[in-house]
Amino acid sequence: QKEVEQNSGPLSVPEGAIASLNCTYSDRGSQSFFWYRQYSGKSPELIMFIYSNGDKEDGRFTAQLNKASQYVSLLIRDSQPSDSATYLCAVDWFSGGGADGLTFGKGTHLIIQP
Amino acid sequence: EPEVTQTPSHQVTQMGQEVILRCVPISNHLYFYWYRQILGQKVEFLVSFYNNEISEKSEIFDDQFSVERPDGSNFTLKIRSTKLEDSAMYFCASSGGKGTGGGETQYFGPGTRLLVL
Repeated sequence: QKEVEQNSGPLSVPEGAIASLNCTYSDRGSQSFFWYRQYSGKSPELIMFIYSNGDKEDGRFTAQLNKASQYVSLLIRDSQPSDSATYLCAVDWFSGGGADGLTFGKGTHLIIQP
Repeated sequence: EPEVTQTPSHQVTQMGQEVILRCVPISNHLYFYWYRQILGQKVEFLVSFYNNEISEKSEIFDDQFSVERPDGSNFTLKIRSTKLEDSAMYFCASSGGKGTGGGETQYFGPGTRLLVL
């Protein structure tokens, strides 16, 4: 059974600080990793994707991937109250067919305190 | 910016009735997906669709479910005989496909909230 694990939180971070969100996954064969943000009652909104080991930066967001440890994280710098949401980690297990269903974690609820 | 659209936004139905949820994927995308999210739970994959056939399906996608691309723009999910446990938010997603520069990236529609009474 391929699993994606996240701490459900809530994770409370002061405004302006760095929020660190973590995700572990169960299968070393995984190929693609995605971070989505979901506001209550809304659909998942893509933040970033990462395929290779190391860091990938996009504005205030940095995704980090360590395939040996089966670990992916998301850092949010200069956190804003509008960043308060649930952050979903998703994994594409790469079946090779091209239209792979993503496996989502339960999400981490992030609260940015003004 | 192109986006995935879904109709209706809310649907209330009686147990045992058939429902059809509709989606218009992003116009140049090749791969289409349905997911569901039961209230308070994680997003779960149902099915993916490519080249007018199912590419992958999960254990949830049993004989009560079917998908169709009836024309060049719409992508539908049909639930033949709804059960109480089918109450959930249903999300459609689409992606460009391999070789399109991150083409596996899936973009989600706003969802249809289905309530089965």
